[in-house]
Amino acid sequence: DAGVTQSPTHLIKTRGQHVTLRCSPISGHKSVSWYQQVLGQGPQFIFQYYEKEERGRGNFPDRFSARQFPNYSSELNVNALLLGDSALYLCASSPPGTGGGRNTIYFGEGSWLTVV
Amino acid sequence: AQSVAQPEDQVNVAEGNPLTVKCTYSVSGNPYLFWYVQYPNRGLQFLLKYITGDNLVKGSYGFEAEFNKSQTSFHLKKPSALVSDSALYFCAVRDGSGNTPLVFGKGTRLSVIA
Repeated sequence: DAGVTQSPTHLIKTRGQHVTLRCSPISGHKSVSWYQQVLGQGPQFIFQYYEKEERGRGNFPDRFSARQFPNYSSELNVNALLLGDSALYLCASSPPGTGGGRNTIYFGEGSWLTVV
Repeated sequence: AQSVAQPEDQVNVAEGNPLTVKCTYSVSGNPYLFWYVQYPNRGLQFLLKYITGDNLVKGSYGFEAEFNKSQTSFHLKKPSALVSDSALYFCAVRDGSGNTPLVFGKGTRLSVIA
């Protein structure tokens, strides 16, 4: 079975531009989360979606937004890009069920965003 | 609020020797603890997790981790290190009271020397 897939893998944007990152979860997984990993640091939580509803939001500005589609895929959008938005953006999915926090979260390979 | 501390930025170990990567955590409820590994220019790969039960958890690639509630620690271990284990290792915690996001440590770079 395919793991979490993300696109694009690498992209370069100019300050002030907008970017859309895409994610397909593991088949059967209904929960998708987004994390930002800046070089030299651990991943930081941005958003969580479950069944197309936002279930959590990290400490990120309103320039960051996301959505989940009926097929459980997801998009992360970032407006008015800043140099500091340069990072690896990781999408993760986890299985449904009553496991809740017990469920393992599986990550994709990430999208490398460079803002120049 | 949850937090994770990985006190060592870098751990060096000779191939064949045992390795330990340290992690301590802080969480208000019961902790759910995870270890992930990241190879260069790759995403995170799940290694193992502690939810409840036996304090010694076994995971992928021969890794194991020991949960110590009194010391709030969850150290990653392997009896015999391989050069291919060289990577960046992240400890993460979730509060067991709900479906909260993972909170990660800053990572420890493991270098296994032949």
